[in-house]
Amino acid sequence: DVKVTQSSRYLVKRTGEKVFLECVQDMDHENMFWYRQDPGLGLRLIYFSYDVKMKEKGDIPEGYSVSREKKERFSLILESASTNQTSMYLCASSPPGGGSTEAFFGQGTRLTVV
Amino acid sequence: DQQVKQNSPSLSVQEGRISILNCDYTNSMFDYFLWYKKYPAEGPTFLISISSIKDKNEDGRFTVFLNKSAKHLSLHIVPSQPGDSAVYFCAAYNYGQNFVFGPGTRLSVLP
Repeated sequence: DVKVTQSSRYLVKRTGEKVFLECVQDMDHENMFWYRQDPGLGLRLIYFSYDVKMKEKGDIPEGYSVSREKKERFSLILESASTNQTSMYLCASSPPGGGSTEAFFGQGTRLTVV
Repeated sequence: DQQVKQNSPSLSVQEGRISILNCDYTNSMFDYFLWYKKYPAEGPTFLISISSIKDKNEDGRFTVFLNKSAKHLSLHIVPSQPGDSAVYFCAAYNYGQNFVFGPGTRLSVLP
């Protein structure tokens, strides 16, 4: 079974703090993704990576950065947390190649910025 | 501008009846489509997919239909069960190697 594990289920952080969300996958997948889920907006792509040390901006990268130093780990960094970053954050991984693959998701991190 | 649209935010269906969830997309380059199911406080789980070379794919109670000319797909659940109550996301694979998701439809199956 593919496993994508996010380091925290729930986090509460203060405005201005630097926040790290960690994600690890155990299936040797090349592709990894960070999404946020907000009511009525669905899942919006923040960043993705298709290889170690590679990163691509998604639809809403502002206020975020990522790090992929190892193939199995993809970290999302909120440089200076703000209340509008309160959301459910979802990490996913997938093998390469389109047209026949699915993304496997972690359990999500519910982040609240106060 | 949303490339994947699910115009019904919610849907209620009686147990045992058919649930039909709809999805429209705008990018004709999408060639692979997926449905995910999500319970509260959990990550989405993959349900069923369809390639653009097909118009139907079936897996047990779940069937996905694709109409490429209309840029429309639908998920049919027959018969619906209370455990099917969840948010359903339609997604398309973007050849830029990422997945584009719709806003979701909350399905409630009433006993």
